Amino acid sequence: NAGVMQNPRHLVRRRGQEARLRCSPMKGHSHVYWYRQLPEEGLKFMVYLQKENIIDESGMPKERFSAEFPKEGPSILRIQQVVRGDSAAYFCASSPSSGGATDTQYFGPGTRLTVL
Amino acid sequence: LAKTTQPISMDSYEGQEVNITCSHNNIATNDYITWYQQFPSQGPRFIIQGYKTKVTNEVASLFIPADRKSSTLSLPRVSLSDTAVYYCLVGDKGNYQLIWGAGTKLIIKP
Repeated sequence: NAGVMQNPRHLVRRRGQEARLRCSPMKGHSHVYWYRQLPEEGLKFMVYLQKENIIDESGMPKERFSAEFPKEGPSILRIQQVVRGDSAAYFCASSPSSGGATDTQYFGPGTRLTVL
Repeated sequence: LAKTTQPISMDSYEGQEVNITCSHNNIATNDYITWYQQFPSQGPRFIIQGYKTKVTNEVASLFIPADRKSSTLSLPRVSLSDTAVYYCLVGDKGNYQLIWGAGTKLIIKP
């Protein structure tokens, strides 16, 4: 029973390029969350998606960032025209229902994005 | 969303019991208290969740006093592998925007 999968684990981009981060939730989970973490800090909520729907993207910058969770395939977090400040670890989590804070979130290993 | 306050760091030794306390003075009636553990370069992992009194599982115990303004995560007989950051989170069914503080960095020494 595979856990949450994220790829790539490490991604290096030059300023101005696009970064595409993928997340495959646990089997049977239709709720996906994306978080960003800077060194020595806690996670910051970015976006919450259900299959084919963005439920809450209030934590995501309005420019350059987008997320999707299609009917088939992984969830994608896309960062266009990356800047050095986008360098961080990006974590994806999934849950089996929409129980909010009462649901256990299962996290992937993260993607570490480095912008040169 | 209720804000939580935890010690920034704690040290202990192998075999000891470790208690990490979290303050959440503004906790709401429907809020649950959840603890996660994060190892370096990994995603967080759920440890335990409770609403009131005491909850115990195979990994830890969670003590919540009657006023629920604080909670204590208790790790029995810690080992070096318990060295990690521990996060306390508070929220209810409608809160999926969990607020993660900086957590408590627990270092276990031999």
